[in-house]
This record gives sequence, C-alpha cells and structure tokens, in this order.
Amino acid sequence: DTAVSQTPKYLVTQMGNDKSIKCEQNLGHDTMYWYKQDSKKFLKIMFSYNNKELIINETVPNRFSPKSPDKAHLNLHINSLELGDSAVYFCASSPVIGWGNTEAFFGQGTRLTVV
Amino acid sequence: GQQVMQIPQYQHVQEGEDFTTYCNSSTTLSNIQWYKQRPGGHPVFLIQLVKSGEVKKQKRLTFQFGEAKKNSSLHITATQTTDVGTYFCAGQGNSGGYQKVTFGTGTKLQVIP
Repeated sequence: DTAVSQTPKYLVTQMGNDKSIKCEQNLGHDTMYWYKQDSKKFLKIMFSYNNKELIINETVPNRFSPKSPDKAHLNLHINSLELGDSAVYFCASSPVIGWGNTEAFFGQGTRLTVV
Repeated sequence: GQQVMQIPQYQHVQEGEDFTTYCNSSTTLSNIQWYKQRPGGHPVFLIQLVKSGEVKKQKRLTFQFGEAKKNSSLHITATQTTDVGTYFCAGQGNSGGYQKVTFGTGTKLQVIP
C-alpha cells in the first residue's frame, strides 16, 4: 500500500494547456504539501495545506491552484502551462505542519514536460 | 527568509572513500532532517536531529547538528555504490509565526566502482 500516491507519474503537454495532478495519502496525516523540483534538483515548497486549509503559498504564480477536498487529498491544477513549468512535482504529507518531530512522506513525483 | 545551503553541490568518490556534505542555515533551527533521493526517485527520510551538538549514527552514516543549531553534516564512511543519490538536509525554523521546513540545495553523490 503506497502511503502517498500521485497521478500521473509522467505528463507531457503543450504550452497553454491546463492540467491537473492528483495526490492522496492514506497515513491519516493532517498536513499535505506540493514541492517543485527543478532541473538542478532544488526542492522548493509551493503550497502547504493543514486540514484542508491553505497555510503556505510561496509566491507561486496564480496559474497554480491547489485544491484540498478533504485532508487526505491535495490536487494541483495548472492553467496556461509554460515551458518554465517543466519540472518534477512532489506531493508530501506529515502528521503536523512543519513536520514537528516526525518525517515527511513523499509521493513518487510527477514529471511534467511542457513542449 | 530562511535559507539553507549545502556544499558541495556535487561529489564524485571512488568506492571505499569517505564522503561528507555540509548544511548551513541562515537562521537558527528547531531541528534538522536528512533525506536521500535516489536517481529517478523521491526523497526518503534518513534521520532527524534536535539537540545542539547532537551526533547520531546509522551504520556507515554519521549525522551531526552544530552547537549553534545553524549547521549540520552527514558523513559516509567507505562509500558503496548503493550510496549514490542526492542528499538533502531540511531545516525547520520559525517563519512568520509558524514552523517552516526549508530544504537545502542538495549534494549529489556519485560513487565510482
């Protein structure tokens, strides 16, 4: 049983399209995150949700809109995709915000390629 | 804002040699975690350090948290090909009234057999 699962694993799309990435965790965690990993492997937080409420929005363009229908799901919708959006997007979850004294669990990642 | 830098960015070692990556934060941290990401994989938790000056060992890996809680290091003794990957530190500190975790820039380790 995968603890944090993301779909799809790969996504190739044209500039200007709109796409969504889904994430689900079965760990009972309260907090979920979206991270972007660029070609240089830098991991940058995009959003953090705690119990369906947006906690962190790290100056991400408003073309990116997260949605959390319940605390086990955090989806990411991207409008008007640009070449610079190409990256690997990781979903993660933790029991509490800021992780506290526990680890964060990451999904397998979604490799987005915009052509 | 909180920044966490790691050096070196890349390291190639011969199998059997030792390896160390250093992590430096611009602010004092509550704790620090280390993650390993294999090529094509996702970050996986290795360990957490909380106390000033703390040292923890996991087989060939030794983790250290600085006295001022602003830096940390990961040392691997006698590297093996299975150690290949990118090692990230992740520092937790207070930012805007809540605890925020910032990942370091990562160190990519290549082990030559």
